[in-house]
Amino acid sequence: DTGVSQDPRHKITKRGQNVTFRCDPISEHNRLYWYRQTLGQGPEFLTYFQNEAQLEKSRLLSDRFSAERPKGSFSTLEIQRTEQGDSAMYLCASSSGAGFYNSPLHFGNGTRLTVT
Amino acid sequence: EDKVVQSPLSLVVHEGDTVTLNCSYEVTNFRSLLWYKQEKKAPTFLFMLTSSGIEKKSGRLSSILDKKELFSILNITATQTGDSAVYLCAVENAGGTSYGKLTFGQGTILTVHP
Repeated sequence: DTGVSQDPRHKITKRGQNVTFRCDPISEHNRLYWYRQTLGQGPEFLTYFQNEAQLEKSRLLSDRFSAERPKGSFSTLEIQRTEQGDSAMYLCASSSGAGFYNSPLHFGNGTRLTVT
Repeated sequence: EDKVVQSPLSLVVHEGDTVTLNCSYEVTNFRSLLWYKQEKKAPTFLFMLTSSGIEKKSGRLSSILDKKELFSILNITATQTGDSAVYLCAVENAGGTSYGKLTFGQGTILTVHP
């Protein structure tokens, strides 16, 4: 399977703990995105990387959230001092693009986070 | 702030029926409108629309964009139980340095009964 891969699929953690999620994009895609989706809502944009550069972060992304994409390949999303409001599905997506052109985003199956 | 509104929020039909899902949007600098189908997991890509009045078609699914009225529809003919899913509409803003920054609607939950 050469789609977007996310790990873990599920994560249950206690409030105050740190968690880290991993995303492996489609190998030829240079652009990578993190979105968050809560029940009954569409996904919300969190952050975007072009190669290894993080070019935009949403105002939704508090200081407790940090994302990296070393070497422009896989990406990690870390949430520090988790809160119950962080419970959601975290979706990673990737695309290929140059300049103005961008291919449609392809999403992974997500990591479902539950904070107790 | 960009905004996408989908209607209806939910729809229940029987196999063989034709359905039309609606998506209206507001975006400061339009680049594209996309439709996704979401079952239990990842949203899967259906269509990307950039030009007004040109219908995109894939099997029983088709979609069209009206950039003047800021509106798109997704049609599904001869529905099957496998079409049951949440259908998401999203717009991409062409402003700034970001690409793929999509604003999604709430989705339409389609249930197809045998």
